[in-house]
This record gives sequence, C-alpha cells and structure tokens, in this order.
Amino acid sequence: DTGVSQDPRHKITKRGQNVTFRCDPISEHNRLYWYRQTLGQGPEFLTYFQNEAQLEKSRLLSDRFSAERPKGSFSTLEIQRTEQGDSAMYLCASSGGIKKGTQYFGPGTRLTVL
Amino acid sequence: QKEVEQNSGPLSVPEGAIASLNCTYSDRGSQSFFWYRQYSGKSPELIMFIYSNGDKEDGRFTAQLNKASQYVSLLIRDSQPSDSATYLCAVKGSQGNLIFGKGTKLSVKP
Repeated sequence: DTGVSQDPRHKITKRGQNVTFRCDPISEHNRLYWYRQTLGQGPEFLTYFQNEAQLEKSRLLSDRFSAERPKGSFSTLEIQRTEQGDSAMYLCASSGGIKKGTQYFGPGTRLTVL
Repeated sequence: QKEVEQNSGPLSVPEGAIASLNCTYSDRGSQSFFWYRQYSGKSPELIMFIYSNGDKEDGRFTAQLNKASQYVSLLIRDSQPSDSATYLCAVKGSQGNLIFGKGTKLSVKP
C-alpha cells in the first residue's frame, strides 16, 4: 500500500453514461497525476496538478474528460458520454515531500464500458 | 515525441538466475529514469530510480544507466518465482509526468 487510494476500484457502465473517479494522494504530496493504461500497454499520461492548479493536459484528454483537484487535496476525473474505447485502468499517482521526483501509484480504477 | 522502448518478452529465466531487462529512450536530454513492477491486474510498484550514469544497487536489483547510449537496464539477481511480473521502464518528461515503455513480461520458472 503506497498511501494513494482510489475509488471505486471497479466500474462497469453502459455506453453514453457519465462516470467519476476519485483519487486521494499521499497527504504531503503536492503533485497528482492521472494516467490511463490499456491491456499490453504502459500507462499513458492524461493530466497533472500541482496543488489545485491543473498544469498540463495530454492530447489524450478529449473534451469528454475533465479533472479537478479542489483545495489541492483529492482529485476527481470525470468522463462524460462514455465510449467503449474508454475501457481501461485509470491510475492516479502522487509525488512530493522529500522524494519529490518519485511517483507512487494508487491501486487504479478499472473501467468497463459495455 | 519522446519514446521509451522495451522488448515485450516474455523473458523466461530459471529460478536463481539473473534476469536482465533492457530499455532505450529517444530523448537525449532525459535526466531521470524509473523501473516499476506490475503484477497482473495490479498497479505499478516502484522498484528503483536512477539519475546518474553507472550502476545503482538495491538488494537483488541493480539499475544501470548509460546516457551516451540512451540505455537503461535492470538486473535481478537470484530470480524468484515471485519476481514474475511485467517490468515497466519510465523516463521523466518535461512536465514531471512519466513516459512509460510497454513493459517486459518476466517469467521465473521454479
């Protein structure tokens, strides 16, 4: 257990529905990252926050995706009008503190879009 | 576009042998390199990071970095069946995000 938690761990939804995932980083970490991983691939960067500011978004993050980190604590990732291609593991990682260059991953949320 | 390349494997080694995992990267300016282990259905778990040319050892694991050749490797000594997993090589991008290879699947046979 790295100290990063994600909820839910699994989500099954129907195409066209909206879903929201939550990530709670390690408490002293000011940076929070979202990645997506599909079968046979490494994680792909989606977006990251430094405190409450969203500083970078990948071109993978279409306009159906939105992420927030109110008050610089937990973060949410929302996918609107889900598509079957959104099925993946959504991973959250945080970094900061003494080992600020090192990212620690949460357990992930596995999304299945039917 | 920064890229990280790994042989997808599977790499099969007998128990007790040395497993050698390799990774190349495209951006000569990359400074920070990471190895993560990922068991099937689980999230990546940090094994080691390396910033300087040469070797870095931690228990049974040794990371090797050669910036001139843009090459990073991970050696696992005395491989155990519990080491069977996918090993992900990652390079830190300009925004602090990690750029991952596709991973190498390692199988350690008893």
